[in-house]
Amino acid sequence: QQQVKQSPQSLIVQKGGIPIINCAYENTAFDYFPWYQQFPGKGPALLIAIRPDVSEKKEGRFTISFNKSAKQFSLHIMDSQPGDSATYFCAATGWETSGSRLTFGEGTQLTVNP
Amino acid sequence: DGGITQSPKYLFRKEGQNVTLSCEQNLNHDAMYWYRQDPGQGLRLIYYSQIVNDFQKGDIAEGYSVSREKKESFPLTVTSAQKNPTAFYLCASSKQIPGGPSYEQYFGPGTRLTVT
Repeated sequence: QQQVKQSPQSLIVQKGGIPIINCAYENTAFDYFPWYQQFPGKGPALLIAIRPDVSEKKEGRFTISFNKSAKQFSLHIMDSQPGDSATYFCAATGWETSGSRLTFGEGTQLTVNP
Repeated sequence: DGGITQSPKYLFRKEGQNVTLSCEQNLNHDAMYWYRQDPGQGLRLIYYSQIVNDFQKGDIAEGYSVSREKKESFPLTVTSAQKNPTAFYLCASSKQIPGGPSYEQYFGPGTRLTVT
Protein backbone atom coordinates (compact mmCIF):
# COMPACT_ATOMS: atom_id res chain seq x y z
CA GLN A 1 0.00 0.00 0.00
CA GLN A 2 3.00 2.25 0.40
CA GLN A 3 4.14 1.88 -3.22
CA VAL A 4 4.14 4.54 -5.86
CA LYS A 5 4.33 3.23 -9.42
CA GLN A 6 5.85 5.50 -12.05
CA SER A 7 5.81 5.22 -15.83
CA PRO A 8 7.36 5.28 -18.33
CA GLN A 9 10.88 4.31 -17.29
CA SER A 10 12.32 6.45 -20.08
CA LEU A 11 10.95 9.01 -22.49
CA ILE A 12 12.36 10.77 -25.54
CA VAL A 13 10.69 13.84 -27.05
CA GLN A 14 11.60 16.56 -29.50
CA LYS A 15 12.14 20.13 -28.38
CA GLY A 16 8.78 21.82 -27.94
CA GLY A 17 6.99 18.55 -27.23
CA ILE A 18 4.94 17.86 -24.09
CA PRO A 19 6.31 14.88 -22.18
CA ILE A 20 3.89 13.32 -19.70
CA ILE A 21 5.02 11.20 -16.77
CA ASN A 22 2.47 9.22 -14.80
CA CYS A 23 2.31 7.95 -11.23
CA ALA A 24 -0.20 5.78 -9.41
CA TYR A 25 -0.62 5.12 -5.71
CA GLU A 26 -2.68 2.81 -3.53
CA ASN A 27 -2.72 4.45 -0.12
CA THR A 28 -5.75 6.75 0.13
CA ALA A 29 -4.21 8.40 3.21
CA PHE A 30 -1.53 10.04 1.07
CA ASP A 31 -2.12 13.78 0.96
CA TYR A 32 1.00 15.33 -0.57
CA PHE A 33 2.42 14.54 -3.99
CA PRO A 34 5.70 16.21 -5.04
CA TRP A 35 7.79 15.89 -8.16
CA TYR A 36 11.58 16.06 -8.11
CA GLN A 37 14.04 16.73 -10.93
CA GLN A 38 17.53 15.23 -10.82
CA PHE A 39 20.47 15.92 -13.10
CA PRO A 40 23.31 13.37 -13.32
CA GLY A 41 25.56 13.43 -10.28
CA LYS A 42 23.37 15.95 -8.43
CA GLY A 43 20.81 15.75 -5.66
CA PRO A 44 17.10 15.86 -6.58
CA ALA A 45 15.48 19.29 -6.58
CA LEU A 46 11.86 19.87 -5.59
CA LEU A 47 10.02 20.94 -8.75
CA ILE A 48 6.34 21.19 -7.93
CA ALA A 49 3.88 19.58 -5.51
CA ILE A 50 0.13 19.15 -5.15
CA ARG A 51 -2.37 18.27 -2.45
CA PRO A 52 -5.53 16.28 -3.26
CA ASP A 53 -7.92 19.19 -2.78
CA VAL A 54 -7.05 20.53 -6.25
CA SER A 55 -7.02 18.76 -9.62
CA GLU A 56 -4.28 20.78 -11.28
CA LYS A 57 -1.34 22.98 -10.37
CA LYS A 58 0.91 24.95 -12.69
CA GLU A 59 4.30 26.45 -12.06
CA GLY A 60 5.89 27.91 -15.15
CA ARG A 61 6.10 25.18 -17.80
CA PHE A 62 5.41 22.40 -15.31
CA THR A 63 1.88 21.18 -14.54
CA ILE A 64 0.66 18.48 -12.18
CA SER A 65 -2.68 16.87 -12.95
CA PHE A 66 -4.30 14.98 -10.09
CA ASN A 67 -7.11 12.41 -10.29
CA LYS A 68 -8.16 11.49 -6.78
CA SER A 69 -10.74 8.86 -7.77
CA ALA A 70 -8.24 7.04 -9.98
CA LYS A 71 -5.41 7.55 -7.47
CA GLN A 72 -3.18 8.87 -10.21
CA PHE A 73 -1.17 12.02 -10.81
CA SER A 74 0.97 13.14 -13.69
CA LEU A 75 3.60 15.72 -14.63
CA HIS A 76 3.34 17.61 -17.92
CA ILE A 77 6.22 19.72 -19.23
CA MET A 78 5.04 22.33 -21.71
CA ASP A 79 7.33 23.49 -24.52
CA SER A 80 10.07 21.11 -23.38
CA GLN A 81 13.70 22.15 -23.85
CA PRO A 82 16.96 20.18 -24.04
CA GLY A 83 17.80 21.60 -20.60
CA ASP A 84 14.81 19.69 -19.20
CA SER A 85 16.67 16.42 -19.92
CA ALA A 86 16.91 14.84 -16.47
CA THR A 87 15.45 12.10 -14.31
CA TYR A 88 12.07 12.91 -12.78
CA PHE A 89 10.75 11.27 -9.62
CA CYS A 90 7.24 11.39 -8.24
CA ALA A 91 6.64 10.83 -4.55
CA ALA A 92 3.81 10.64 -2.05
CA THR A 93 3.25 10.82 1.67
CA GLY A 94 0.58 11.22 4.31
CA TRP A 95 1.12 12.11 7.93
CA GLU A 96 -1.15 9.40 9.33
CA THR A 97 0.65 6.54 7.64
CA SER A 98 4.09 7.89 6.84
CA GLY A 99 4.85 10.81 9.12
CA SER A 100 7.22 12.97 7.14
CA ARG A 101 8.55 10.08 5.05
CA LEU A 102 8.29 10.26 1.29
CA THR A 103 7.72 7.18 -0.87
CA PHE A 104 9.35 7.64 -4.27
CA GLY A 105 8.54 6.23 -7.68
CA GLU A 106 11.36 4.56 -9.59
CA GLY A 107 12.03 7.55 -11.82
CA THR A 108 11.67 8.50 -15.48
CA GLN A 109 14.69 9.41 -17.56
CA LEU A 110 13.61 12.19 -19.92
CA THR A 111 15.60 13.15 -23.01
CA VAL A 112 14.59 16.23 -24.98
CA ASN A 113 16.26 16.29 -28.39
CA PRO A 114 17.11 19.63 -29.97
CA ASP B 1 24.25 30.67 1.61
CA GLY B 2 21.61 28.43 3.18
CA GLY B 3 21.56 24.81 2.25
CA ILE B 4 22.61 21.24 2.83
CA THR B 5 26.22 20.21 2.48
CA GLN B 6 27.50 16.68 2.11
CA SER B 7 31.13 15.80 2.21
CA PRO B 8 33.09 14.45 0.59
CA LYS B 9 31.62 14.34 -2.93
CA TYR B 10 33.52 11.11 -3.73
CA LEU B 11 34.67 8.53 -1.20
CA PHE B 12 36.65 5.37 -1.71
CA ARG B 13 37.04 2.63 0.87
CA LYS B 14 38.31 -0.91 1.11
CA GLU B 15 35.87 -3.65 1.91
CA GLY B 16 35.59 -4.32 5.63
CA GLN B 17 36.13 -0.71 6.69
CA ASN B 18 33.48 1.47 8.30
CA VAL B 19 33.01 4.88 6.72
CA THR B 20 31.10 7.95 7.90
CA LEU B 21 29.34 10.33 5.53
CA SER B 22 28.77 13.88 6.65
CA CYS B 23 25.54 15.88 6.28
CA GLU B 24 25.14 19.42 7.60
CA GLN B 25 22.27 21.87 7.11
CA ASN B 26 21.90 25.52 8.06
CA LEU B 27 18.23 25.79 7.09
CA ASN B 28 17.05 25.36 10.70
CA HIS B 29 15.13 22.29 9.58
CA ASP B 30 13.93 19.86 12.21
CA ALA B 31 13.85 16.63 10.23
CA MET B 32 16.71 15.01 8.34
CA TYR B 33 16.89 11.94 6.13
CA TRP B 34 19.36 9.61 4.47
CA TYR B 35 18.59 7.94 1.13
CA ARG B 36 20.49 5.52 -1.02
CA GLN B 37 20.31 5.65 -4.81
CA ASP B 38 21.59 2.90 -7.09
CA PRO B 39 22.08 3.38 -10.85
CA GLY B 40 18.80 3.67 -12.69
CA GLN B 41 16.80 3.27 -9.50
CA GLY B 42 14.72 5.40 -7.21
CA LEU B 43 15.53 6.65 -3.75
CA ARG B 44 15.36 4.27 -0.80
CA LEU B 45 15.13 5.58 2.75
CA ILE B 46 17.86 4.41 5.13
CA TYR B 47 17.22 6.39 8.33
CA TYR B 48 15.42 9.55 9.31
CA SER B 49 15.29 11.83 12.33
CA GLN B 50 12.48 14.21 13.18
CA ILE B 51 14.10 15.74 16.27
CA VAL B 52 17.49 15.85 17.94
CA ASN B 53 18.52 12.66 19.77
CA ASP B 54 15.83 10.60 18.05
CA PHE B 55 15.86 8.66 14.78
CA GLN B 56 13.95 5.86 13.09
CA LYS B 57 14.89 3.11 10.67
CA GLY B 58 13.80 3.46 7.09
CA ASP B 59 13.31 0.69 4.57
CA ILE B 60 16.94 -0.42 4.23
CA ALA B 61 18.61 0.33 7.60
CA GLU B 62 20.58 -2.91 7.90
CA GLY B 63 24.33 -2.26 7.85
CA TYR B 64 23.97 1.45 8.54
CA SER B 65 23.97 3.59 11.69
CA VAL B 66 23.24 7.25 12.41
CA SER B 67 23.36 9.81 15.20
CA ARG B 68 21.57 13.12 15.71
CA GLU B 69 23.36 14.99 18.47
CA LYS B 70 22.85 18.41 16.89
CA LYS B 71 19.98 19.84 14.89
CA GLU B 72 22.33 20.79 12.06
CA SER B 73 24.09 17.46 11.66
CA PHE B 74 23.04 13.91 10.77
CA PRO B 75 26.07 11.72 9.96
CA LEU B 76 25.62 8.29 8.41
CA THR B 77 28.02 5.43 9.08
CA VAL B 78 28.21 2.65 6.53
CA THR B 79 29.43 -0.35 8.45
CA SER B 80 31.25 -3.43 7.24
CA ALA B 81 27.99 -5.32 7.73
CA GLN B 82 26.45 -3.56 4.72
CA LYS B 83 26.80 -6.16 1.98
CA ASN B 84 26.69 -3.90 -1.04
CA PRO B 85 27.67 -0.38 0.06
CA THR B 86 28.72 1.10 -3.28
CA ALA B 87 26.03 3.68 -4.11
CA PHE B 88 25.12 7.36 -4.27
CA TYR B 89 24.05 8.61 -0.83
CA LEU B 90 21.72 11.57 -0.46
CA CYS B 91 20.89 13.56 2.63
CA ALA B 92 17.72 15.64 2.87
CA SER B 93 15.98 17.86 5.40
CA SER B 94 12.52 19.30 5.99
CA LYS B 95 10.97 21.80 8.35
CA GLN B 96 8.20 20.88 10.75
CA ILE B 97 5.57 23.60 10.84
CA PRO B 98 3.12 24.38 13.69
CA GLY B 99 -0.16 22.55 13.30
CA GLY B 100 1.08 19.91 10.97
CA PRO B 101 3.94 18.40 9.07
CA SER B 102 5.90 20.03 6.33
CA TYR B 103 6.63 17.56 3.63
CA GLU B 104 8.93 19.71 1.53
CA GLN B 105 12.21 17.85 1.54
CA TYR B 106 15.35 19.49 0.22
CA PHE B 107 18.31 17.43 -0.84
CA GLY B 108 22.05 17.84 -0.56
CA PRO B 109 24.44 17.27 -3.50
CA GLY B 110 25.17 13.66 -2.52
CA THR B 111 28.23 11.53 -1.78
CA ARG B 112 29.26 8.79 -4.18
CA LEU B 113 30.75 5.93 -2.17
CA THR B 114 32.81 3.25 -3.86
CA VAL B 115 33.88 0.20 -1.88
CA THR B 116 36.36 -2.22 -3.42
